[in-house]
Amino acid sequence: EAGVAQSPRYKIIEKRQSVAFWCNPISGHATLYWYQQILGQGPKLLIQFQNNGVVDDSQLPKDRFSAERLKGVDSTLKIQPAKLEDSAVYLCASSLAGTTNEKLFFGSGTQLSVL
Amino acid sequence: AQSVTQLDSHVSVSEGTPVLLRCNYSSSYSPSLFWYVQHPNKGLQLLLKYTSAATLVKGINGFEAEFKKSETSFHLTKPSAHMSDAAEYFCVVSWTNAGKSTFGDGTTLTVKP
Repeated sequence: EAGVAQSPRYKIIEKRQSVAFWCNPISGHATLYWYQQILGQGPKLLIQFQNNGVVDDSQLPKDRFSAERLKGVDSTLKIQPAKLEDSAVYLCASSLAGTTNEKLFFGSGTQLSVL
Repeated sequence: AQSVTQLDSHVSVSEGTPVLLRCNYSSSYSPSLFWYVQHPNKGLQLLLKYTSAATLVKGINGFEAEFKKSETSFHLTKPSAHMSDAAEYFCVVSWTNAGKSTFGDGTTLTVKP
């Protein structure tokens, strides 16, 4: 089966610029997650979608980060304006139903460097 | 508050020797527990999971983990390390009542020839 697709693979921008990441989950997966993984740390959940509705965005810095999942399929995460501390790997994951004992399928991530 | 602690940030073993990666959690509820592996330039992959069935869980590539409620631990083991096991390993805890998962900070496993 096709996995979770993410693009771009790498992105380098200057602070105060904007950037967008794209994710296409596994077909049929209702739940989509965006994680931020800072070097040396475990992934931290930014936002969770169930179909096209937001389930949890409590750790999303809403003054600069936004995300959408139109039509309940693929999703876009945007940062505007970027700060130096946003340098990280942004991981997209999906799962079939979103229950807490369910396996997550991860994409390869987008590595963001903010200079 | 829920939390998960991976007790070692780096573990180095020789090929053919046992692997032990330690994970402890704090919980007020019955958790679901997972181990994921991340190879360089690859996505995170599930190794195994515990969801209140057998306390000894077997996963892929010869890994297994034992859930010990009294010690609030879920350590990952493998009898004999292989070079291909070199990767980053993450312990993940989910609490049904809280509805979200928390990742540990990871353990980097190095396997020496």
